[in-house]
Formats: sequence, C-alpha cells, structure tokens
Amino acid sequence: NAGVMQNPRHLVRRRGQEARLRCSPMKGHSHVYWYRQLPEEGLKFMVYLQKENIIDESGMPKERFSAEFPKEGPSILRIQQVVRGDSAAYFCASSPRLALQETQYFGPGTRLLVL
Amino acid sequence: DQQVKQNSPSLSVQEGRISILNCDYTNSMFDYFLWYKKYPAEGPTFLISISSIKDKNEDGRFTVFLNKSAKHLSLHIVPSQPGDSAVYFCAARIRDDKIIFGKGTRLHILP
Repeated sequence: NAGVMQNPRHLVRRRGQEARLRCSPMKGHSHVYWYRQLPEEGLKFMVYLQKENIIDESGMPKERFSAEFPKEGPSILRIQQVVRGDSAAYFCASSPRLALQETQYFGPGTRLLVL
Repeated sequence: DQQVKQNSPSLSVQEGRISILNCDYTNSMFDYFLWYKKYPAEGPTFLISISSIKDKNEDGRFTVFLNKSAKHLSLHIVPSQPGDSAVYFCAARIRDDKIIFGKGTRLHILP
C-alpha cells in the first residue's frame, strides 16, 4: 500500500514562471491537505480539498495560488508567476475522512526553488 | 498569531536519557493534539496523539502529557535513541477543522 506520493520532489523555477505540484493521496483516502514550510518555520496550512471540492482555503494566498482535486487523478497545487518568496517545501497530506481521531499522512514534499 | 508554540528550537539529550519536548497553546477550543516527527528531506510522520479529555497517552517509549489548565503538553521519549534525532512538531486541532502546527523542536541525541 503506497503512501502519499508527491512529484516532483524538487522543482526549480525562474521568477514569473508557473509551478505545478502534484499529490497522489494514499489509496482509499478522499481528503487532501496542502501545507507550506518556509525555512526555520513550522508547517502552515494552505488548503483542504475533497474530491472535486475545496473545503477550506483559508491558508492560501488570494492571488497566484490555486488548488484542485479532480475526480480522477492527483491533487494539483498551482502557483502562477512565482516569486522568490514562494521558495519553500510544500507538503501534501491525506486522510480517509475527517474525524476526530483520524490523523493525516504526509508525503515527502516538493521543494520549490525560485531563482 | 501563533496558536501552537514550541519555544525551544533545539534540544540535545544524551543517549539513554529522557527527552522532554514542550508545547504551549493558546486556543482553549483545541480538543485534539498530535506530535509529528520529521527527518530531513522527508515528510512529517505521525507519532502519537492525545484527546483533550485525557491527560496522558503512552505508546512504547513515547508518552504525551496534557495539562489543560496550563494549556501545555509535553512529549517524553525514554530511553532516547540515536534514531530519535529529528525535528518534532506539536500540532493541535479543533473538531472538524484543520491542524495547526508549531514551528518544531530539533532534537539531537548525543552518543
């Protein structure tokens, strides 16, 4: 049973380009969460999605960032017109359902470097 | 506005001794607390959790203590082993809501 998969593991972009980060949740998991970790910081919640629905995007910047979790395929976090401040590790987590005792399982992360 | 605080960025402990990692929180609505462990270049791994209705949860070498009146929790690792060297994140959740993470404490186990 494969864990949460993220690709690419490392991504280098120049300022102004687009970054697409992919996350495949664990088999049977229908809830996906995206977090960002800046250097020397903890993980900051960005967005929570279920299949085809954004449930909570309160942690996501209003501009340039978007996320989707289509019926088929991985969840995508998209950053348009990247800036240097977007350089960070982006982690995806999944859970089978949202319940009090349920924990989230994390992927290995995508490290984005904006030149 | 940091709702989950880990005030020690790093901690060094001798192998075989007890490691105690501390965490404070400000939101009294949190009702579920978790600890995650993270190695470099990997995602966080769930370690242990505790519901707010309990004050202690134990799993092998790991024990989490919760003091609701002080809004404080701690993770005890005993005995500490070299493989415990990692960053430990304290996290908290309000029912049916997102998890809030602290900034982490880097634990070094010394030989």
